[in-house]
Amino acid sequence: GDSVTQMEGPVTLSEEAFLTINCTYTATGYPSLFWYVQYPGEGLQLLLKATKADDKGSNKGFEATYRKETTSFHLEKGSVQVSDSAVYFCALSSYGKLTFGQGTILTVHP
Amino acid sequence: NAGVTQTPKFQVLKTGQSMTLQCAQDMNHEYMSWYRQDPGMGLRLIHYSVGAGITDQGEVPNGYNVSRSTTEDFPLRLLSAAPSQTSVYFCASSGLAVSTDTQYFGPGTRLTVL
Repeated sequence: GDSVTQMEGPVTLSEEAFLTINCTYTATGYPSLFWYVQYPGEGLQLLLKATKADDKGSNKGFEATYRKETTSFHLEKGSVQVSDSAVYFCALSSYGKLTFGQGTILTVHP
Repeated sequence: NAGVTQTPKFQVLKTGQSMTLQCAQDMNHEYMSWYRQDPGMGLRLIHYSVGAGITDQGEVPNGYNVSRSTTEDFPLRLLSAAPSQTSVYFCASSGLAVSTDTQYFGPGTRLTVL
């Protein structure tokens, strides 16, 4: 079946540091890939999305590239801010059903 | 445009009680789903629906029941609550095409079963 594996957390960074959160997936067919973000006490919000190989999703300074050859969708940001502190989920969508990774807690200190 | 709404926000039940979590969306989405979120386990799919009158089981369906009589509403019923069902529950909706398959989530219901 489909599965998503995210790097273990939590991740703690200083403001303006570079962020990478690794995500790999296993799926049949050609899934869409997503990064969702969850701020404390809130539901999940879409951060970015890619629907086919070599697509790059980007939003709010975050980027991720759909790499079919390595089955990966790593999240990156060049300079994190305190306001980026949240839980980040990688997910794939296959025939409408979302499969999530376990989530990575990011804490950014001033 | 309210998006996806869920009620209640918080609920405490005793073991064996039943209740219904409400979910509604105003985006005319065909696909609706329920997830539960537990620490360290991400979100797991409970049940989903691809349209009115059509429902199917997800990864963790036991102890839960759903129905979809309208496009807008997708309630989740707990038949006989157990402490293992203590969790945060999220409802989500989306279209079915690749161009519309981004799922939009409600704010969640935090359920405690004593």
